[in-house]
This record gives sequence, structure tokens and C-alpha cells, in this order.
Amino acid sequence: AQSVTQLDSQVPVFEEAPVELRCNYSSSVSVYLFWYVQYPNQGLQLLLKYLSGSTLVKGINGFEAEFNKSQTSFHLRKPSVHISDTAEYFCAVGRGKLIFGQGTELSVKP
Amino acid sequence: NAGVTQTPKFQVLKTGQSMTLQCAQDMNHNSMYWYRQDPGMGLRLIYYSASEGTTDKGEVPNGYNVSRLNKREFSLRLESAAPSQTSVYFCASIITGRSSEQYFGPGTRLTVT
Repeated sequence: AQSVTQLDSQVPVFEEAPVELRCNYSSSVSVYLFWYVQYPNQGLQLLLKYLSGSTLVKGINGFEAEFNKSQTSFHLRKPSVHISDTAEYFCAVGRGKLIFGQGTELSVKP
Repeated sequence: NAGVTQTPKFQVLKTGQSMTLQCAQDMNHNSMYWYRQDPGMGLRLIYYSASEGTTDKGEVPNGYNVSRLNKREFSLRLESAAPSQTSVYFCASIITGRSSEQYFGPGTRLTVT
């Protein structure tokens, strides 16, 4: 069985500050890992994905994530956030069928 | 390409009423999925269709049925709506075997009173 835990339900941060959204997963088989973003009243949009290879994955809008197999983590980072990054972020694991975490609300304040 | 489209965008039902949520994709994807999104619970898989002609239960299938009408369309039916089915419903699709990246529709916001 697979599972995903997002360790923070809400993350408030000031504009231009760095941010890290934490995601831990469990799986008995090798998996793909994803981060999706959801802006208010919209569907989900893929930020980045890890399939294999380099453990540092770069995505859209300046986000990156690092796959850490020993710690079973896939944390999302951005060195300097903007107001427009305010959204809900979901970590997901799987091949085909996805298991999603509970979501982290990122709130960027001026 | 329109991607994944869903209709309707909003719906209010009374307890016991039935309705069908429609989903279509124009990307020639093999697999399609229905999720529900509830606050603090992320997205949970209701049903999925790995290919045309097949459907399987996901994590929360009770109270729902699905039909994979053809390769493009995958509908979700609520036979007798209950307040617990108040949620936002998302449809998604992928090309099986290709990185598993799912493409999502804009969602249907359903309220059952």
C-alpha cells in the first residue's frame, strides 16, 4: 500500500522569503512522485515530477523538489516566493493511480 | 485542444435526486479517473478506467457508478444523492505507461441539501 503525508496543513510566509513544503511517502515498490498546485476555484496543475535519475527536480514557476529515498521524502522548495504563489499544493505518489496528500495551503503575505 | 472538460461546473441537488457528471478529454488518453476533493482530505479516487471498456473501484466508490462511454468520455453517476456527497469532483486522464502525469479538468462543485 502507498500513502502520502504532507506535514504542514498551512504555511504562511512573507513575500520574497524562501519556503519549503514537506512531503513524506511510503511505498513498497518504486514509484513516481508529483507536486501539483491548485489556485482558488481551479483544477490541479502539475508543478514537477520525479520519475527516476537525478534526485533534484526542477519545475515550473521556480519550484524544485528533492527526492530522498532513505528518508522517503519529496519536499518542495522555492528560494523566493511571490504573492501569486498563494495556492494549495498537493504531493502525490503512484504509477497510473495516484495517492494524494492532504494538501498544504501556502499563503504569501506582502 | 480543450484538454479535459467537465460539465456542469456547479450543481445543487436535493437528497435522493440523481445526476450524472460528464467528463471528456481530447488528448487520446487511455486512462481516466474520477476524484472527489474535500477540505483537509486531499483528493480521493472514486473510480477509474484503465482503458476503454474497463472500470475499477478506487478508494471511495460507495454511492457512485461510472460509465466509460468511449475513449473520450467517462461519466460519474450519483443514483441517490446524499449530503455526504457534497464535494468538488475532478476528472483526470493520462496516457498509460507515459510518466503517469495526470491532466485534470476544472472540476464540478456539487452541493447536496
